[in-house]
Parts: sequence; structure tokens; C-alpha cells
Amino acid sequence: DTEVTQTPKHLVMGMTNKKSLKCEQHMGHRAMYWYKQKAKKPPELMFVYSYEKLSINESVPSRFSPECPNSSLLNLHLHALQPEDSALYLCASSLTGTGTEAFFGQGTRLTVV
Amino acid sequence: GESVGLHLPTLSVQEGDNSIINCAYSNSASDYFIWYKQESGKGPQFIIDIRSNMDKRQGQRVTVLLNKTVKHLSLQIAATQPGDSAVYFCAELGNAGNMLTFGGGTRLMVKP
Repeated sequence: DTEVTQTPKHLVMGMTNKKSLKCEQHMGHRAMYWYKQKAKKPPELMFVYSYEKLSINESVPSRFSPECPNSSLLNLHLHALQPEDSALYLCASSLTGTGTEAFFGQGTRLTVV
Repeated sequence: GESVGLHLPTLSVQEGDNSIINCAYSNSASDYFIWYKQESGKGPQFIIDIRSNMDKRQGQRVTVLLNKTVKHLSLQIAATQPGDSAVYFCAELGNAGNMLTFGGGTRLMVKP
């Protein structure tokens, strides 16, 4: 199983809503990532979890709140988002995060209205 | 700051020809590079990787070349097929350890 599963695939939310994006992998990977990708741009790193601990936060606004409940799951909690936060949110995982292949999920297409 | 970038935003090739996608990087401390393919509406898909102690690595129809002297990375696709049409990103594992940083991307268009 070399799959990273993200749910939902599509999400439309209002600026006052609270929602969560979910990511799951069962490859035994211990590094998990959240990326944000705007149209025609490369993915931009948001957060990195290593062994269930947040190791990198790329100055992401607090309206994005990551959570890693266990080694297989990664969540991204969303609250009070802005329309400019609309993007494709990608989850990825890798064995250790240091020089090993990262596998990506198919992403959640988020639209903030 | 240090970054990974690409020379050409769009590359158009004839089906059956070979494709070469280039990437320049500026962080000389980077020691691991990956090429990803991203089709419309999908997440990036791993193609091939290379470590800095290598100059060349071959996969099925793909070859990655690394020139550390000029900090240049290239992806060669042999006998390009319509299914190869996508955006290709090079990515660099930064010296912070687990920060995978992406270059700007090149769109490959294959003409039948």
C-alpha cells in the first residue's frame, strides 16, 4: 500500500465555518506534511510532523491548525478562513523525512466563500 | 533566499521525441533531489530521485542528471507519449532536514 488518502476531495466553506481536512497513510511513514498549492504554482510547505511532533511551521497563520493524532493520521483544522486561502491542500508522507521519497495524496480542493 | 527554479515554463514536444526539462538550484548544501509529475486535479507523483553523490540515475524511460558544479538538474524523458503531458516539478530536500522545497514547474505538452 503506497497510498496517501485525503478527505474530502472537495470542500466549500464560509468564512465563519470550522472544518477539518484529513490525511491517512499506512506505509509506516514517520514524517507527514501539509502543503498548499495555488493554481499554476508549485506546492508550498506549511507544516511538517516528524514522529508525531510538529517540527516545522512555515509561518502559517493560526487560522490553520495541524494535528497529528497518531503516526498514520494528519489533520488540518480550518477556522475563519479568507477567500485567498482557497487552494489545493496536499498531504504527503515519507519514511523519515531525511532524504527519502515523499508520497503525496490527491489533495483537497478548498474553496472559501 | 536559496531556491529551486526552472528555466522554461512550457515545453512542447512531438510524440515520440525525447524531452528534457531543466532545473537550477542554488543551495549547494542540498543532497537529495526529486522529480515529480503532476497531472491536472491530482497530487504530485514521484518519478525519480537522485542523491548528490551521483551524477546520473536511470528509470523506465526517464533519466535524471545532476551537475553539482553548475547546480543544475535535468529530467530526460525518452520517446515522449501523450500520457506524459503534465506539469513537472523538481524538488530539493533542504539542509533543514525534512523541508522538501519545490521549483516553479514546467508544463510539458505532447503533440500527437
